[in-house]
Amino acid sequence: DTGVSQNPRHKITKRGQNVTFRCDPISEHNRLYWYRQTLGQGPEFLTYFQNEAQLEKSRLLSDRFSAERPKGSFSTLEIQRTEQGDSAMYLCASSQTGGINEKLFFGSGTQLSVL
Amino acid sequence: QKEVEQDPGPLSVPEGAIVSLNCTYSNSAFQYFMWYRQYSRKGPELLMYTYSSGNKEDGRFTAQVDKSSKYISLFIRDSQPSDSATYLCAILGGGATNKLIFGTGTLLAVQP
Repeated sequence: DTGVSQNPRHKITKRGQNVTFRCDPISEHNRLYWYRQTLGQGPEFLTYFQNEAQLEKSRLLSDRFSAERPKGSFSTLEIQRTEQGDSAMYLCASSQTGGINEKLFFGSGTQLSVL
Repeated sequence: QKEVEQDPGPLSVPEGAIVSLNCTYSNSAFQYFMWYRQYSRKGPELLMYTYSSGNKEDGRFTAQVDKSSKYISLFIRDSQPSDSATYLCAILGGGATNKLIFGTGTLLAVQP
């Protein structure tokens, strides 16, 4: 168990470019979450997968954002036509069980800077 | 009104002090409350998990929930420099997704 892995750790891009982040959850964790955290704020929920199915999306996730989890393993989060307001830390978390005892394990995040 | 409010600090205390971190929430239907610790440039890690009102203790950490006043607290006894981090309260938002609603976080610095 090597924990939740996120790549890249840092991404600097110009406004209007597309970016893609990858998350590798802990093996056998079937639940995967994406959160976004801006400076001085707590993480905000973006989307949730159970296995390969995307079951919930926040209204924060505009149509420029798309997330996938093919085969229920790793997940990608793509942002098209980036804007300066997209600058944030993008966190991925995974868990094995749902319910009230669910424990989320977070990765170290991808820090996105849009110039 | 935000669903979860937390004093952002920063809070600076000497080593060995008792630290009190607090959050308030707006929805009385919330029942599951958590505290996460986040070191600089790292993801949050779960510290404490409590259900409904009452206290829960784990070593130097005590989590307290007062549902009548919609107030949650984390106490750290004998604080150590290694406790320096951002502490985030979180509430389970309900539904099948189990998404978390986080406070803004309180930055704590424990001075040696």
